[in-house]
Parts: sequence; C-alpha cells; structure tokens
Amino acid sequence: DQQVKQNSPSLSVQEGRISILNCDYTNSMFDYFLWYKKYPAEGPTFLISISSIKDKNEDGRFTVFLNKSAKHLSLHIVPSQPGDSAVYFCAASPNSGGSNYKLTFGKGTLLTVNP
Amino acid sequence: GAVVSQHPSWVICKSGTSVKIECRSLDFQATTMFWYRQFPKQSLMLMATSNEGSKATYEQGVEKDKFLINHASLTLSTLTVTSAHPEDSSFYICSARASGGAYEQYFGPGTRLTVT
Repeated sequence: DQQVKQNSPSLSVQEGRISILNCDYTNSMFDYFLWYKKYPAEGPTFLISISSIKDKNEDGRFTVFLNKSAKHLSLHIVPSQPGDSAVYFCAASPNSGGSNYKLTFGKGTLLTVNP
Repeated sequence: GAVVSQHPSWVICKSGTSVKIECRSLDFQATTMFWYRQFPKQSLMLMATSNEGSKATYEQGVEKDKFLINHASLTLSTLTVTSAHPEDSSFYICSARASGGAYEQYFGPGTRLTVT
C-alpha cells in the first residue's frame, strides 16, 4: 500500500521554464510534507517543506503547494536550471512525535532540465 | 549547518563477514536517527528508527538480529550488517533529526555495500 505516490517517474523541461513535480498521498494522518533532491550515489538533500496548516510555502526558486482536500502537493521550480536535474522525492510525516517523525517517501521523479 | 556524515562511503566484503557503518551528525545533536536502504531505481525504504540511549525500532520485515543498530550518543549511530550475504548488497543511507519538534531529516551521503 503506497501511501505517498509520485505518478510521473520522469519529467523533462527546457532551461528557464517551470518544472512542476506532483505528489499524492492517501494517509489523512500526514500533516507535514517535504521535498528532497537526490543525485545518484548521494544522500537526499532537503529542499523545502510545508505544514498542513498552510497551502503554500516559497523559498527562492522553489514553491510547494498543498491541497489538503485533494491530498495533493506539488513542487514548482522556476526558472529551471540544468543543475536542477536530479531525482526529486516527496515525503510525508504524520502528526505527533509518537511516530518519531518517520517519513514516508514516494518513488521519486527524475527531472531533466535541458539547456 | 545540518551536516550528516557517513563512513565508509563504500565497502566490499565477503559473505559471512560483518560490516559496520557509522553515521554522525556533525553540527547538531540528533535525538533520532534513521536508517534507510535504497535499491536501484527505487524509493528509500526505512529500515529502523533509533533514539539515543534506547533500542532501535525496526520496520516490519527487517531482521533486528541481522541489522544491529546502536545509537550511543546524540551525534553517532552505527549500523552493523552481520553475516552479510550477497542479497544484502545495497545503498544504505542514514538520516538524523534534530532535537525538538522539527520534522526535517538530514541525510548522510550513503554507503554502497557490496557483498561478494
């Protein structure tokens, strides 16, 4: 049972354009969401997060949108740069420290930004 | 800030031997550390969660006697793969969560284990 889904395994975008990465979740107990970027043979790097009490969080070129009713979040990167090419993982955590703040990850989306 | 190191970055061992992987939070105290495994082109699979000074909590299907986890201090956790077999070959990644209520986990660079 995959609780966090990234249905697009890959996405190709032209440099300078917007990249939109999507993520859906099924567990209504999730209340905090994170995006990580990962290069091959490296650990994931934290990018941006959003709490369920918000619907948008912005940090430079990265914006995350959360639609709780649809159980959907998206990561917008604008403008996209070739250095953004990597695998992007969506992750979610349930409420309360009793869960040890465990993260459930999606399968990732490979973003390729073409010069 | 929030740097996590892992050592070694890669290791090759023979079947039947044990391998220890270290995970350190370099500039913050980590109340909780996590160990993940990643197979090629797949997501990160959580193996276990460890809190400093207490026993690790293993995910379903992960053998606790095979993957020994020790979280001896607020900056160090170790994963020992005991009696390694070729099917244990994988990319192992640790992460650390800072003390307090933060959700963010910061990941180490990973360890590539190859068992021959």
